[in-house]
Amino acid sequence: EAEVAQSPRYKITEKSQAVAFWCDPISGHATLYWYRQILGQGPELLVQFQDESVVDDSQLPKDRFSAERLKGVDSTLKIQPAELGDSAMYLCASSSNVVYFNEQFFGPGTRLTVL
Amino acid sequence: GEDVEQSLFLSVREGDSSVINCTYTDSSSTYLYWYKQEPGAGLQLLTYIFSNMDMKQDQRLTVLLNKKDKHLSLRIADTQTGDSAIYFCAESGGYSSASKIIFGSGTRLSIRP
Repeated sequence: EAEVAQSPRYKITEKSQAVAFWCDPISGHATLYWYRQILGQGPELLVQFQDESVVDDSQLPKDRFSAERLKGVDSTLKIQPAELGDSAMYLCASSSNVVYFNEQFFGPGTRLTVL
Repeated sequence: GEDVEQSLFLSVREGDSSVINCTYTDSSSTYLYWYKQEPGAGLQLLTYIFSNMDMKQDQRLTVLLNKKDKHLSLRIADTQTGDSAIYFCAESGGYSSASKIIFGSGTRLSIRP
């Protein structure tokens, strides 16, 4: 069964360091999402791609966060510099462009701890 | 802005029914969802309901929607230990990939023997 892949699964870093997360969506899925899930809360959308284009990054802290999906397939989310408040689970999801219903398929996430 | 609220915890005895409740504020919500998150895993879509429906049943799951009160519930019949997880209520204003999904904070379901 096709799945969304993410790596690494866990990342511990010190504040002011740079971190990067990688996501490989389900093959053929044109839409890719990055979410941040703070402990005890639901996921919050950071950025949404349609193929290689950003369609929504209104909640992305652009002074320190960047995201790219250069070939419209896999994607990288970067934080530089990391801050203590960035500790969270970072989830990637993908969906196809079917007309009837948009089901988002989630990866297992990357748990980031900033010390 | 849009908001989705749910209680944080629910404890039920194995074999009983679990009912998880949710309220939302966006009257233009088109789809309402229930997602399940097991420890260390991503979210899995359990079921969804279109806003013009009152009820949807899928095996042990029953979803009830009261659009007037903006209240959504998920009933799990014959709750098993494998149902222990966090359950997220969510809504979106449309069905296309461009429609943002707003999630609640999740209800942690624990099962007593």
